[in-house]
Amino acid sequence: GENVEQHPSTLSVQEGDSAVIKCTYSDSASNYFPWYKQELGKRPQLIIDIRSNVGEKKDQRIAVTLNKTAKHFSLHITETQPEDSAVYFCAAIWSTLTFGKGTMLLVSP
Amino acid sequence: NAGVTQTPKFQVLKTGQSMTLQCAQDMNHNSMYWYRQDPGMGLRLIYYSASEGTTDKGEVPNGYNVSRLNKREFSLRLESAAPSQTSVYFCASSEGTLSLSSYNEQFFGPGTRLTVL
Repeated sequence: GENVEQHPSTLSVQEGDSAVIKCTYSDSASNYFPWYKQELGKRPQLIIDIRSNVGEKKDQRIAVTLNKTAKHFSLHITETQPEDSAVYFCAAIWSTLTFGKGTMLLVSP
Repeated sequence: NAGVTQTPKFQVLKTGQSMTLQCAQDMNHNSMYWYRQDPGMGLRLIYYSASEGTTDKGEVPNGYNVSRLNKREFSLRLESAAPSQTSVYFCASSEGTLSLSSYNEQFFGPGTRLTVL
């Protein structure tokens, strides 16, 4: 079936460190992988996405990498700041979007 | 533009009561979605509407019904609420249907926090 596994469930880093969140997906047919950020008490918002025809995409301090052979993709945040603290969700598309269970990122000053 | 709006923001129900969650979008999007979010479970799709006049079940449809009233509005109804339906409910919309051949950003509403006692 269609499934997305996300790790870790919580991640604590010091300000300025890098953070990496990894997701694996079950069905190789998927070809679109968005990442959403959800601040406490707020709605999820798209921060970056990647399609299967590229291996990496960057947007300032955020990057996403995709390994289609291994069926996994990762979110990389460099030079983390306290405002990066949030829950991050990965997702994969099949007939609809299937989300991972989320990673709570805590960035300490 | 208000984007995606939801009412109410908070609701407390007793077991067995019914209620309807309202969602509207002003972005002229074709597709709309209802998700529930529970701690440690991520976002799970309840129902979606690919276009006006159509609705389809998602991953967790039991205990819910939906109505796509028009292009702007998509409501979620709980006919007989149960404590297991305590959750945060998010409505979302996208310009087109999300599928293997179509990628569209989903825009989420602010959520409704529902508690069933």
